[in-house]
Amino acid sequence: SAVISQKPSRDICQRGTSLTIQCQVDSQVTMMFWYRQQPGQSLTLIATANQGSEATYESGFVIDKFPISRPNLTFSTLTVSNMSPEDSSIYLCSVARTSDSYEQYFGPGTRLTVT
Amino acid sequence: AQKITQTQPGMFVQEKEAVTLDCTYDTSDPSYGLFWYKQPSSGEMIFLIYQGSYDQQNATEGRYSLNFQKARKSANLVISASQLGDSAMYFCAMREGPGGTSYGKLTFGQGTILTVHP
Repeated sequence: SAVISQKPSRDICQRGTSLTIQCQVDSQVTMMFWYRQQPGQSLTLIATANQGSEATYESGFVIDKFPISRPNLTFSTLTVSNMSPEDSSIYLCSVARTSDSYEQYFGPGTRLTVT
Repeated sequence: AQKITQTQPGMFVQEKEAVTLDCTYDTSDPSYGLFWYKQPSSGEMIFLIYQGSYDQQNATEGRYSLNFQKARKSANLVISASQLGDSAMYFCAMREGPGGTSYGKLTFGQGTILTVHP
């Protein structure tokens, strides 16, 4: 299995500010994703982080609000911009290997509270 | 579009008993994968078990087994010999099979909170 770390593990931020979340994997992976889990809700895919190119966003999510970078096959960042209390969520990085079987794993998550 | 339904918001089970968590799905893709994850209060998502749409046998991983009924489009998780540490939220998820443009994207159900009583 892949070992995935996220930084920070949690944060409390002021409205209107931005936070960048990092996702580091211990081995090269083909696919990386960012999910959001609002309080008491299920997980929703924000975007697919593409190595060396712009991320692919799901309906309802835009690059200006959630800019994503993926400079290589082991690292990605998600920025939550101009935050509001509605952005309070757990943000999770997920990785998958297309050349492998079924493995798809999640990082430990970043618990964000916006005040 | 893919859809996952978990109809049990909460389940209770006695320690050492078995419990079944329900999951039904809907997809028009012939190739897909079904996952179960456990989410304790810490928030991390722990992978439990996977079933591919072409797998002939039901998946098993230790105390976890997946009761896959393709014709009924159901993928229920069975936990045998429940332990207190099994108390958590459980999510069923689906993704399109290899080769599809949506490969790797997981669609999640709403989750089931499992409480194990001593």
